[in-house]
Amino acid sequence: GQQVMQIPQYQHVQEGEDFTTYCNSSTTLSNIQWYKQRPGGHPVFLIQLVKSGEVKKQKRLTFQFGEAKKNSSLHITATQTTDVGTYFCAGPQGAQKLVFGQGTRLTINP
Amino acid sequence: NAGVMQNPRHLVRRRGQEARLRCSPMKGHSHVYWYRQLPEEGLKFMVYLQKENIIDESGMPKERFSAEFPKEGPSILRIQQVVRGDSAAYFCASSPGQGAPNSPLHFGNGTRLTVT
Repeated sequence: GQQVMQIPQYQHVQEGEDFTTYCNSSTTLSNIQWYKQRPGGHPVFLIQLVKSGEVKKQKRLTFQFGEAKKNSSLHITATQTTDVGTYFCAGPQGAQKLVFGQGTRLTINP
Repeated sequence: NAGVMQNPRHLVRRRGQEARLRCSPMKGHSHVYWYRQLPEEGLKFMVYLQKENIIDESGMPKERFSAEFPKEGPSILRIQQVVRGDSAAYFCASSPGQGAPNSPLHFGNGTRLTVT
């Protein structure tokens, strides 16, 4: 079945550095969603991208959906300690469910 | 404006016992999903339900696991004769409208199951 692969698995940065996580699918996606999970917490929806080549921003977070709708990225500018957590992308599998990437765990050195 | 409610937050069971995990979706949401998360791993889809119907259970282990979403009351994920490998965080999520994958999922706080 369709898989969503995410890299890197871990990323450690100094506070103030940028961070990017990448998501790739084996098939074309109708949409892609991004979630954040704080340590010990539950996943929280961040954004959904639908259109080919779409770019959306939320403050220091920039989300992109590839032209072929098979890949996506999340970029955080000037990380802060509040950005710590695991970032997941998720894409549709069939008409019924969402499958998640393995996640990128971001840790930050203050 | 309650979100997705899961209980218990933590559950400890001995090997061979039964575990019952409960989930009440957000008000107005008719789609319920269960995901399992092993330590340091991603979210694995288990089952998708609507009221009184199992829509997709392709992620459920064939034995010992069952799920329901009755007409009245919360959705229940039931694990019979638990083994140590069942230790994980179990998240319930709900969505509005037509459901996933076109609508965002709202997750509960999860149930952390520990099997001793």
